Amino acid sequence: GAGVSQSPSNKVTEKGKDVELRCDPISGHTALYWYRQRLGQGLEFLIYFQGNSAPDKSGLPSDRFSAERTGESVSTLTIQRTQQEDSAVYLCASSFLQGAYEQYFGPGTRLTVT
Amino acid sequence: AQKVTQAQTEISVVEKEDVTLDCVYETRDTTYYLFWYKQPPSGELVFLIRRNSFDEQNEISGRYSWNFQKSTSSFNFTITASQVVDSAVYFCALRTLGSARQLTFGSGTQLTVLP
Repeated sequence: GAGVSQSPSNKVTEKGKDVELRCDPISGHTALYWYRQRLGQGLEFLIYFQGNSAPDKSGLPSDRFSAERTGESVSTLTIQRTQQEDSAVYLCASSFLQGAYEQYFGPGTRLTVT
Repeated sequence: AQKVTQAQTEISVVEKEDVTLDCVYETRDTTYYLFWYKQPPSGELVFLIRRNSFDEQNEISGRYSWNFQKSTSSFNFTITASQVVDSAVYFCALRTLGSARQLTFGSGTQLTVLP
């Protein structure tokens, strides 16, 4: 079946502009996660959605970052007034429920802020 | 707090050699899950294995094997008879039930298999 998809695959933006990144999870997966991966580093957790529960936003680095999810479908990560340090690959993952279930990752969006 | 340490930043081996990637974790929770992911040059993370804290039985899948030892808080990954296609960054990750739902990742080990 279809995996997690993300768009765009690459995004170049000027410092100070807003960007929106999109994630389509695997159908039937109720949990959705956003991570950030800076060049040569591991993954940093950003935000987690589970069904209609309030999202876990504990990983968002600043109030310039926000995310939304409509039900159990598409999610959008928005970065306002982008800074050069926001340059990274943003990865989305989804899983069944939570707990033990493994997360399946999308191909990521490479964001470059010039 | 939980933490995953992958002390090996980069490893290079020649094809057909065996290689072990180390992973050491820290958590105060008694129930937790450990994962290994592979990130090839294409960038997409590929799930390899999940292991829960109550199951210390080692697992073998083809050329891959995993050694889970709670006594040393380690979950090492061995590739036998390595191949060029094994070249990738490998991440070890930890998830507990008592804390946040996200995976805590190690910094990754870049494995290069030379022909």
